Amino acid sequence: GEEVAQTPKHLVRGEGQKAKLYCAPIKGHSYVFWYQQVLKNEFKFLISFQNENVFDETGMPKERFSAKCLPNSPCSLEIQATKLEDSAVYFCASSQFTGENTEAFFGQGTRLTVV
Amino acid sequence: AQSVTQLGSHVSVSEGALVLLRCNYSSSVPPYLFWYVQYPNQGLQLLLKYTSAATLVKGINGFEAEFKKSETSFHLTKPSAHMSDAAEYFCALNGEGRRALTFGSGTRLQVQP
Repeated sequence: GEEVAQTPKHLVRGEGQKAKLYCAPIKGHSYVFWYQQVLKNEFKFLISFQNENVFDETGMPKERFSAKCLPNSPCSLEIQATKLEDSAVYFCASSQFTGENTEAFFGQGTRLTVV
Repeated sequence: AQSVTQLGSHVSVSEGALVLLRCNYSSSVPPYLFWYVQYPNQGLQLLLKYTSAATLVKGINGFEAEFKKSETSFHLTKPSAHMSDAAEYFCALNGEGRRALTFGSGTRLQVQP
């Protein structure tokens, strides 16, 4: 597709429940990034993929967060046993990455509310 | 480690007035810098990017930014604000081989009639 598609748009989970978010990158883009935007508007990098391989996972809380990008499937970000502090908007971005000046294209985000 | 600082979390201007949003960066390698805009309940849209080809970069919607290495700055300007410019603006940095962007904390621009 011509845009990064994220589903669902909104997700509400009770504390301790699992949350799974999906991202379809732009066709032909080899890099996928996940960011978390919390109430103060700061974007926190979580993880990036080069095709189906993890490229950089330095931002991932390892205990409860996991992510995958499998061939011919949307990428996913899963949070096991959600906590109130996980409430945020999660953005996915993709890029072709031909150099450090390559722009990333962002999806509309998934707003996760943990109650 | 690289970082981005945006001075002023809120900026308010009158319609027709100059817009100046400040961004300073820290990087151990030559930086690649971006300005993104976020409208309410939307994702990020690229306004412009610095690629080392020219220090003055023109973007969409009449915005431009000037890269000043001596001041480690990449401030965003627009000569005349429109009501439609009201949004959140993020300065971001790429470099040091991470591929992912490092964002500033954002500046909310309000445009008064």
